[in-house]
Amino acid sequence: QVQLQESGPGLVRPSETLSLTCTVSGASISSTRYYWGWIRQSPGKGLDWIGTIYDSGSIYQNPSLRSRVILSLDTSKNHFSLELSSVTAADTAVYYCASQSWNWGESYWGQGALVTVSS
Amino acid sequence: DIQMTQSPSAMSASIGDRVTITCRASQGVSSDLAWFQQKPGKVPKCLIYSISKLHSGVPSRFSGSGSGTEFTLTISSLQPEDFATYYCLQHHSHSWTFGQGTKVDIK
Repeated sequence: QVQLQESGPGLVRPSETLSLTCTVSGASISSTRYYWGWIRQSPGKGLDWIGTIYDSGSIYQNPSLRSRVILSLDTSKNHFSLELSSVTAADTAVYYCASQSWNWGESYWGQGALVTVSS
Repeated sequence: DIQMTQSPSAMSASIGDRVTITCRASQGVSSDLAWFQQKPGKVPKCLIYSISKLHSGVPSRFSGSGSGTEFTLTISSLQPEDFATYYCLQHHSHSWTFGQGTKVDIK
């Protein structure tokens, strides 16, 4: 069973960079079996895809966020990370890390991390 | 970018009702279509993938259908634990889009 856990600051100041890490257990992030990604949900709103890292190493991001997002894998720590730069109050959300198997037969999500953007 | 239009945005239903939720894609997404359920304060859970395949442990009262640009999630007989918000998701061409969500509450 794959388990995911988000970690990072719960409060970020406007214009700064939001950084979150997703620690993976039960699978290797080097595995070609899974994709690794991030989704967010603003308070009271729907789900918003941020980006995904595929087994080939290819990274795809939401076009609306692409200029501000960096996704990366750290195989030595078996975790993957999200950096979102130049944040505003509109980036306040619960951030979920998630993993799907290559055929979508398996789907795993972290518990979510609330990040508030405020001075 | 592929847009997903989900309907209705909210609905009230009774225990035992048959519930149907629809998602329409702005262009074809092949079989790259999944459905998620989210209960208040909880993590979204994937119910269905590849249009109609149920994830392990998902009750058989849930089913998915459709093709091309129009897809449907059906709950054949609504149970108390099914009151939640449902989202469709397309992941065609490595770019994902969620539908706006359908909140199913008690009539």
